[in-house]
Amino acid sequence: SQTIHQWPATLVQPVGSPLSLECTVEGTSNPNLYWYRQAAGRGLQLLFYSVGIGQISSEVPQNLSASRPQDRQFILSSKKLLLSDSGFYLCAWSVWGLNQPQHFGDGTRLSIL
Amino acid sequence: RKEVEQDPGPFNVPEGATVAFNCTYSNSASQSFFWYRQDCRKEPKLLMSVYSSGNEDGRFTAQLNRASQYISLLIRDSKLSDSATYLCVVNMRISGAGSYQLTFGKGTKLSVIP
Repeated sequence: SQTIHQWPATLVQPVGSPLSLECTVEGTSNPNLYWYRQAAGRGLQLLFYSVGIGQISSEVPQNLSASRPQDRQFILSSKKLLLSDSGFYLCAWSVWGLNQPQHFGDGTRLSIL
Repeated sequence: RKEVEQDPGPFNVPEGATVAFNCTYSNSASQSFFWYRQDCRKEPKLLMSVYSSGNEDGRFTAQLNRASQYISLLIRDSKLSDSATYLCVVNMRISGAGSYQLTFGKGTKLSVIP
């Protein structure tokens, strides 16, 4: 069966520090991968998605970036975090195809001080 | 108009009650629809897909009305464990990207009371 791992579970970072969140998927090949952010009391906001190695699409201009160095690895990064980057970050995967549901990792709760 | 719109609630219902959630979507070309459940401070989990003919999974029934661009979720015989936020999800065309991706509503909060 397919599993998705995301870490760390919680993170407290100072403003201006760098960020690296990692997500890996097991049990499937060539998944679509996604990064979302959910701010307190708000809906899920799609940040990035990837349909293959090295292929990244950005949905929202910001100081975050994403990379997909391997088929089942998706990384979310920032060089300098802002206070507004606080939130619940979720990685998700889906089977390739138009009408497929997405399956989420446990999420990373990021607090910027 | 919001892309996927839901009543935020909260819906406070007694155990055993029947409760219905509604959702409207703006993109008439949307082709796939889902309901997700999200517990407090947890990740969303797929509850069920929504098919054109309507579908049922135990106490849960989902309906789709394409003409009205409307989706519903009915929960019968509510349990305490049903307390969660229910997210309506629709695939939408991403502007400028030429592809469709899932768009999540902000969710409807349900509290089932003993």
